[in-house]
Amino acid sequence: GDSVTQMEGPVTLSEEAFLTINCTYTATGYPSLFWYVQYPGEGLQLLLKATKADDKGSNKGFEATYRKETTSFHLEKGSVQVSDSAVYFCALSDRGGNQFYFGTGTSLTVIP
Amino acid sequence: GAVVSQHPSRVICKSGTSVKIECRSLDFQATTMFWYRQFPKQSLMLMATSNEGSKATYEQGVEKDKFLINHASLTLSTLTVTSAHPEDSSFYICSAKGGSHNEQFFGPGTRLTVL
Repeated sequence: GDSVTQMEGPVTLSEEAFLTINCTYTATGYPSLFWYVQYPGEGLQLLLKATKADDKGSNKGFEATYRKETTSFHLEKGSVQVSDSAVYFCALSDRGGNQFYFGTGTSLTVIP
Repeated sequence: GAVVSQHPSRVICKSGTSVKIECRSLDFQATTMFWYRQFPKQSLMLMATSNEGSKATYEQGVEKDKFLINHASLTLSTLTVTSAHPEDSSFYICSAKGGSHNEQFFGPGTRLTVL
């Protein structure tokens, strides 16, 4: 079945460091891919998404490219801030949006 | 984008009582709503899927008599945790899809603590 494998954390970075959180997926068909962010005590917020191969999702300095050949959707940010400290979830859904599969989440802590 | 709200955001109750959590789609008609549960430091686990006007479909291992789901209108679904116990303490998140949207939009979550 479909699944998402996400880099395990926790990840601790200094402010302005480069961030990569790896995410690979297994899916039949052509899924949509997402990154969600969850700040402490809050719900999920959509960070970015991509719906087809080679699409690049971007938001708030974060980017991820839908790579069909490597079945990956790695999250990157060139310069992290303390306010980026949160848990990041990679997810995929089927085309109809009825089945969502989440990764286990990666906790990021950015220290000044 | 589409907005989904949940109420309450936090609830503390005594063991044995029932708690109702509301999930509303604010600016679109949600033909399908989903309820997830998130344990501390873990990912989201789908509990059930509900379509407006019909019975919810529960995932394996989820007790339908304990977690009652009602999707009575196109903008509201409720999850009632009946006879709550401390092990039901968790973060409950709903999502909704419908209208022109072909993806799920997530609510902010409800933290349930059962004493």
